[in-house]
Amino acid sequence: DIQLTQSPSFLSASVGDRVTITCRASQDISTYLAWYQQKPGKAPKLLIYATSTLQSGVPSRFSGSGSGTEFTLTISSLQPEDFATYYCQQLNTYPHTFGQGTKLEIK
Amino acid sequence: EVQLVESGGALVQPGGSPRLSCAASGFTFSNYAMYWVRQAPGKGLEWLSYISGGVGSTYYADSVRGRFTISRDNSRNTLYLQMNSLRAEDTAVYYCAKENSYGGYLDYWGQGTLVTVSS
Repeated sequence: DIQLTQSPSFLSASVGDRVTITCRASQDISTYLAWYQQKPGKAPKLLIYATSTLQSGVPSRFSGSGSGTEFTLTISSLQPEDFATYYCQQLNTYPHTFGQGTKLEIK
Repeated sequence: EVQLVESGGALVQPGGSPRLSCAASGFTFSNYAMYWVRQAPGKGLEWLSYISGGVGSTYYADSVRGRFTISRDNSRNTLYLQMNSLRAEDTAVYYCAKENSYGGYLDYWGQGTLVTVSS
């Protein structure tokens, strides 16, 4: 199975900050990568698919990039509603594994 | 409006065999692959299983292959997960999710249903 490693696992930041989360794959996954946001007690929400395509309704402060084995999710200016846990997921090969998550907390 | 509503979660004894259901509405169910994903308490997301929209091709994670069976009834717009030989480590919230039109990316999720495996 393809392993996805997110870094950092925990991130403390302030409203207005620019933050970047990295997702590294154990083998080449081309651009078959998604990012999800999950808030406590809620289902995950698709933010970005195919590495860089913003899901409908997602604010433009979210962006994704990368290819092959290294990918990033960037939030250009943190808003209060962005404090949550973020997961990457690869769709290159079954099973479509998830990263371990990055918890973004308020500083 | 797309809606996915899971049911069937419960407190189950080890070795039990519950069946989860996911009722879908707001889209042409048979046109989309569907998925099950779970999340153990305080842990991350674990991809479990896939079923295609039409002929019903399936795939499973190693952790559940041979114990869980995914199926769908397109006439009832319902997805199922038959769970057998449950273990304590299967305790989790189970989500059903729909793929998006691009393929495979999970754009709509249910609210989740909790399965607790304990004696």
